[in-house]
Amino acid sequence: QKEVEQDPGPLSVPEGAIVSLNCTYSNSAFQYFMWYRQYSRKGPELLMYTYSSGNKEDGRFTAQVDKSSKYISLFIRDSQPSDSATYLCAMSNSGGSNYKLTFGKGTLLTVNP
Amino acid sequence: GAVVSQHPSWVICKSGTSVKIECRSLDFQATTMFWYRQFPKQSLMLMATSNEGSKATYEQGVEKDKFLINHASLTLSTLTVTSAHPEDSSFYICSGPVGSPTDTQYFGPGTRLTVL
Repeated sequence: QKEVEQDPGPLSVPEGAIVSLNCTYSNSAFQYFMWYRQYSRKGPELLMYTYSSGNKEDGRFTAQVDKSSKYISLFIRDSQPSDSATYLCAMSNSGGSNYKLTFGKGTLLTVNP
Repeated sequence: GAVVSQHPSWVICKSGTSVKIECRSLDFQATTMFWYRQFPKQSLMLMATSNEGSKATYEQGVEKDKFLINHASLTLSTLTVTSAHPEDSSFYICSGPVGSPTDTQYFGPGTRLTVL
């Protein structure tokens, strides 16, 4: 079993739809959870950062972490064509400047106008 | 967010040659930077942790003599792919953590390496 599982999609939705992306993980030591957006041939861009369980909202984006189920989600409201990208979940078991990130495979999202 | 740059953004080289990729933190100092490799439609795989003023730490399965890492200053880390082969063709991305434990990694734009 991989440490982080993420459905690679592709996922195609109409503009304005609510998008739900998720990852599951097996390592109970993970404490820090992140979502990155990656456009084609570009480096990942940090979208959301969450420590431990709970919800975090930033504009149209909401990140949820359920440590009891080892399940994290990213919701995108009122999706836009510019949201079309690959979304990567990432997690680590420690903070500070020396931690390592473990990534999911990424989900390719297309928002159609 | 913090800014990380990479140079070059794209490089083509012949098999057997060496290629150097630079990673710079533009608005923060980084004692630690990370190098990742990403194959098409795959996720990022950590190759090594670059430590300023000391040796890099390589992940299991990554050849340290093939992928030379130098972190000579707090704003510059370099990755040299030595004796490159076609199977080394990939997207190489660096990242730098920023400051406090609540911050996270910011990634460079990546370098696409094609070995002919």
